[in-house]
Amino acid sequence: EAGVTQFPSHSVIEKGQTVTLRCDPISGHDNLYWYRRVMGKEIKFLLHFVKESKQDESGMPNNRFLAERTGGTYSTLKVQPAELEDSGVYFCASSQLTRLAGSSSYNEQFFGPGTRLTVL
Amino acid sequence: DAKTTQPPSMDCAEGRAANLPCNHSTISGNEYVYWYRQIHSQGPQYIIHGLKNNETNEMASLIITEDRKSSTLILPHATLRDTAVYYCIVNSGAGSYQLTFGKGTKLSVIP
Repeated sequence: EAGVTQFPSHSVIEKGQTVTLRCDPISGHDNLYWYRRVMGKEIKFLLHFVKESKQDESGMPNNRFLAERTGGTYSTLKVQPAELEDSGVYFCASSQLTRLAGSSSYNEQFFGPGTRLTVL
Repeated sequence: DAKTTQPPSMDCAEGRAANLPCNHSTISGNEYVYWYRQIHSQGPQYIIHGLKNNETNEMASLIITEDRKSSTLILPHATLRDTAVYYCIVNSGAGSYQLTFGKGTKLSVIP
């Protein structure tokens, strides 16, 4: 079974340009997440899709970031215009939620290799 | 989600068991304990999770104290490839499935 894939693996752009990152989740996973790690910081959550709907976008830093998941399959994360502080590694993850009785539920998230974005 | 506390770094001799502790004293009843690791610059890798009982899989064992305020991840026979940053994460999964990564524990397996 193929894992989570991300494209491109590296991207170098100039400040003010636009970049689009792509994530292909594991087939059949309804949940898709974006995270990022900027230089010297911890990995931070950006947003969560359930199928094509945004379940939680509380981690999106500002309106220069736009995430889509048309058709509930792959997802794109566009940064427009890119700023220097956007440099870092962007990770995508997917999961198939396992829900138990009551309010308890858990999900194992499977991460892709990440896209390293450098803004000059 | 409850906050976790982990030592910043640990060393382990190759072939020995690596025991990585985590404190989560404010954990609530419906929150799971997850362990992930990140090897060098790869994407984080799921290891194991648990709620109340001890758990074991092909990668590791998870020991959760009876009061659930702390846990220990055990790698029974550490190899050089286990050198990584290990993250202990508590998440309820109820309404928000985001994982909150702290600084983790940098485990160095020494030949």
